[in-house]
Amino acid sequence: GENVEQHPSTLSVQEGDSAVIKCTYSDSASNYFPWYKQELGKGPQLIIDIRSNVGEKKDQRIAVTLNKTAKHFSLHITETQPEDSAVYFCAASKIGNQFYFGTGTSLTVIP
Amino acid sequence: GAGVSQSPSNKVTEKGKDVELRCDPISGHTALYWYRQSLGQGLEFLIYFQGNSAPDKSGLPSDRFSAERTGGSVSTLTIQRTQQEDSAVYLCASSLLRANEQFFGPGTRLTVL
Repeated sequence: GENVEQHPSTLSVQEGDSAVIKCTYSDSASNYFPWYKQELGKGPQLIIDIRSNVGEKKDQRIAVTLNKTAKHFSLHITETQPEDSAVYFCAASKIGNQFYFGTGTSLTVIP
Repeated sequence: GAGVSQSPSNKVTEKGKDVELRCDPISGHTALYWYRQSLGQGLEFLIYFQGNSAPDKSGLPSDRFSAERTGGSVSTLTIQRTQQEDSAVYLCASSLLRANEQFFGPGTRLTVL
C-alpha cells in the first residue's frame, strides 16, 4: 500500500517569512495530492491540491510542487500570517479512493 | 450549504463498553470515508463506502470495529468492547463519487477510560 512521510513535524516561522513542508510517497500509481489545514477542534479543510499531470500549482500565497520522478511534493506558504498557524497534512491517493495521510506539521507563525 | 456533521462531538466511555459514532454526509455525496486521528498522529483510513458497491473495510484495525451506511446517506461506526487504545478523534469525510476533494466533518473525540 501507499506510505506517506511528512517533514518537519513542527515548524516555527516569523510572520512574513515563508514556510515549506515536504512529503514523500511510495506508490507511483498515486495521482492526486491534496493538502489539508486543520485548526484546533475542527476537521481538516482542503487548501490546495495537485494532480500528477501538473508540476506546480499556485493559489495566492500558497503553492504546491510535485516531482513524480522522485515521488515527493511540497507545500509553500509565502508571507506567512498568524492565522496560518495550524496543523497541515499532506495526502496521496488514486483519484476516487481513500487518502493516505502524512503525520502532520504543526506550523506556528510568530507575530 | 450544510457540511458534514458528526455526533456526538465528544464521547467518554468505560473500557469494555460499545460505542456508536454517527456521520451525516453532505447531501448528494455518494462516497463516505471514516478516518481515525490519534494524538500526534496522522489520519488513519478505516473504511470507505462508494455508492452501492461493497465497502472497502481494509483499514479497520480489528473485528471490534464495524460500520454501516443506511440508505446511501447516514453512516454509523460501531466499536465493540472498547479498549483504551481506541481513544482518538474519529473523522468522517464525504465526496462526490470518483471526485477528488473530500469534505471532513468536525470529528468525534472518543475517550476510553
